[in-house]
Parts: sequence; C-alpha cells; structure tokens
Amino acid sequence: QSVLTQPPSVSAAPGQKVTISCSGSSSNIGNNYVSWYQQLPGTAPKLLIYENNKRPSGIPDRFSGSKSGTSATLGITGLQTGDEADYYCGTWDSSLSAGGVFGGGTKLTVL
Amino acid sequence: EVQLVQSGAEVKKPGESLRISCKGSGYSFTSYWISWVRQMPGKGLEWMGRIDPSDSYTNYSPSFQGHVTISADKSISTAYLQWSSLKASDTAMYYCARLYGDGVDYWGQGTLVTVSS
Repeated sequence: QSVLTQPPSVSAAPGQKVTISCSGSSSNIGNNYVSWYQQLPGTAPKLLIYENNKRPSGIPDRFSGSKSGTSATLGITGLQTGDEADYYCGTWDSSLSAGGVFGGGTKLTVL
Repeated sequence: EVQLVQSGAEVKKPGESLRISCKGSGYSFTSYWISWVRQMPGKGLEWMGRIDPSDSYTNYSPSFQGHVTISADKSISTAYLQWSSLKASDTAMYYCARLYGDGVDYWGQGTLVTVSS
C-alpha cells in the first residue's frame, strides 16, 4: 500500500488530453513539492515535473503539473503513442525517516 | 552531463552477500544526496533510503532498515547498496537516484538482482 494514491490506469486516444491524480496528506504533499516521473517499458524512470509544476530542460510543454492542498495532478495534452508508460508521483514525507515516498504508479494507455 | 552509472546484473543464491554500486559523474558528488529505490517485478517504486556522500550520513525506510546497508566512497564518487544475506524476495531492479529538493532529478540505469537457488 503506497503512501500516495494514484489510479492504477488511465487511457485516452491519440491527440486527446489525460490527467493523473496523486493524493496524499499534510505530512507529504500538503507541505512539500511534488515531482512526477515517467517510466517507459524496460527503462529507468525519468523526471517529468519537479517542484509541482516545473519542467526540466527537454520536457515538452504537453506535460504539466499542479498541486492543491494534499493532492497533485499531472496533465498530458496531445497524447502520442510514445507517451504509453507508467507515471509516478513522488514527494517528501516528514513523518518518515527515509523521507521519500512514491505513488503506486499509473499505467497510461494511448488507444 | 550528469550521469549515474550502476554496476551490472547479478545472480545470487539465498544467503549470499552482495554489494552493488552507483558511480556519479558530471557534478560535485558530495553536493547531492543519493537514494536507492527498489522496483520488484511488475511493481511500483519503493524508497529504500538515502545517503549524504559528504559525510556518509544515512536514513533508511523502516521496511529496509536492518536488511540493507547504504554507503559511499566520496574519493571515487560511488555509492553502494549492500546485503549480508540475500533472500529470494530481494529479487528486483534497484535504482540509484540523485536527490534534488523534494525529489529525484537523475536516475541510474538500474541493476537487476536475481536471487534464486
């Protein structure tokens, strides 16, 4: 059972928009920045969004992030087949000794 | 270019010991914490613990405390994850990751550990 809650799967057609939610609590999302990671099949995760809504260099603006209270959302517009991947949210948790926590992951299918 | 390069895949028997490595390059190794993350087959990411390479201070997730050891050698910009007695349930992909703020900005390529008799 992950500390952060994500839907197991989402799907949408190419060109459409999809959102992925991430729900936590005041000890994690509520008081810390949220990051989002993309894991393509058979590869290591890659940073998509940091500090709630910032994109690293090289990440297209089709990807966006937002946070409100103890929840965060990843948005992807103009879906492409290459976006099919697992997406994870992550943040810090002040109640845990090791600090970091992840969501359980969401499998995105582009139909 | 920031890189975290991990050691190669390992196949071990239950009860054996193992140490895998993660070498950082392209940045000041002692300026960023390193974390280790486990991904069991077909499952999600799990935070194991972290180390400050400047002084080797470590934190562990309760789920991993006492079962693994995280260490670092700053003279060669390398972090390690170590087991003294492997179990079949340790079979997984292990990633090292550089901490930035409240998350990770760079990931290693992963090391697959298979424990089987």
